[in-house]
Amino acid sequence: AQTVTQSQPEMSVQEAETVTLSCTYDTSESDYYLFWYKQPPSRQMILVIRQEAYKQQNATENRFSVNFQKAAKSFSLKISDSQLGDAAMYFCAYSLPQGGSEKLVFGKGTKLTVNP
Amino acid sequence: GAVVSQHPSWVICKSGTSVKIECRSLDFQATTMFWYRQFPKQSLMLMATSNEGSKATYEQGVEKDKFLINHASLTLSTLTVTSAHPEDSSFYICSAPGRRDTGELFFGEGSRLTVL
Repeated sequence: AQTVTQSQPEMSVQEAETVTLSCTYDTSESDYYLFWYKQPPSRQMILVIRQEAYKQQNATENRFSVNFQKAAKSFSLKISDSQLGDAAMYFCAYSLPQGGSEKLVFGKGTKLTVNP
Repeated sequence: GAVVSQHPSWVICKSGTSVKIECRSLDFQATTMFWYRQFPKQSLMLMATSNEGSKATYEQGVEKDKFLINHASLTLSTLTVTSAHPEDSSFYICSAPGRRDTGELFFGEGSRLTVL
């Protein structure tokens, strides 16, 4: 079974600084998706960034970027120029392509605090 | 972007009663929807996959008779917690797949159930 591990239950960062959240996963598949979702206090799940395993290039979305190391099964999220609004729970997730029926497997999450 | 809406967002009920939670895809059709449960300060656990026009697929350990799922149309899935007990109190989140080639899920706002 696929598993997703986030080893950092909590992280903190100063506003405008950079922080990296760790994620590792276990799978025997070669083609899959990886995601980082953000869950603010409102509890609404928001997609931050996604990565397709067959793409070697690391995904980036404005201040968010990932370091995808397929051989090491590592998928870390870097947040640059941290803002107060970035404070939230961050979940790393994995899914297999299933033609529109993809199930996400989530890590336990990392609570990010942004200090002013 | 695609929108998934849940209702109600908050419900309090007495022990022994049944509660229905609705999940609607507002601007797209979803043949599949997923129901997750989230305990406080924990990750999302997949409960079941809702399939339009057929029976839901439940994850191991989830009681089918306790959590009834109906996917009656391409835009509506419902989760009914039957004979609710305090241990059923939780945050329930539904989601629906986006474009087939992205693996992304769109999440509802979640429903907080409190059973007295």
